[in-house]
Amino acid sequence: EIVMTQSPATLSVSPGERATLSCRASQSISSALAWYQQKPGQAPRLLIYAASTRVTGIPVRFSGSGSGTEFTLTINSLQSEDFAVYYCLQYNKWPPSEFSFGQGTKLEIK
Amino acid sequence: EVQLAESGGGLVQPGGSLRLSCAASGFTFSDYDMNWLRQAPGKGLEWISHIGSSGATTYYADSVKGRFTISRDDAKNSLFLQMNSLRAEDTAVYYCARRGGSYLPFQHWGQGTLVSVSS
Repeated sequence: EIVMTQSPATLSVSPGERATLSCRASQSISSALAWYQQKPGQAPRLLIYAASTRVTGIPVRFSGSGSGTEFTLTINSLQSEDFAVYYCLQYNKWPPSEFSFGQGTKLEIK
Repeated sequence: EVQLAESGGGLVQPGGSLRLSCAASGFTFSDYDMNWLRQAPGKGLEWISHIGSSGATTYYADSVKGRFTISRDDAKNSLFLQMNSLRAEDTAVYYCARRGGSYLPFQHWGQGTLVSVSS
């Protein structure tokens, strides 16, 4: 089982600043890493897949990087609508029972 | 536009049963595998079940294996989750989700339906 560890658990950042969220895999997952944003009462929204590919319609201030075991989601020029919980998901091996989510990082307004 | 809409959640006693439905639209349902995931109150996301596009292949998380059954009706563009022997720890918002394609993660999600297991 691959364990995904996100850090920090909570990140306090001011609007207009940059936020950097981390996700670490317990073993190499190549680039099979996705990032989701979830706001209260809403379903998760896919932002990034294949570690760095932005989903159509996602603002360019969201960027992903990394491969192997270390991954980063960077959000530049934070907007008010960006404050939410972010999850990473590894999907390196089939079947889906091999997929695993991180525990989440809450991005809050400083 | 891909749309997924879950229904069937509610309050059920421990040991009881519930059947969730997910109505799909905006894509050729029979072409895609489908999944159920859940999120306990204040907790993270958990994948629980998958069904292949033909319906012949299914997978389950250990936490629900033997108690939950996933199925689909392509003629009705619908996905189902039959939940039996429910436990308090099954209390969660249940989401149906579709991957973006092969080798891709869960891209399209419904709004979720709340299942509460309590006496």
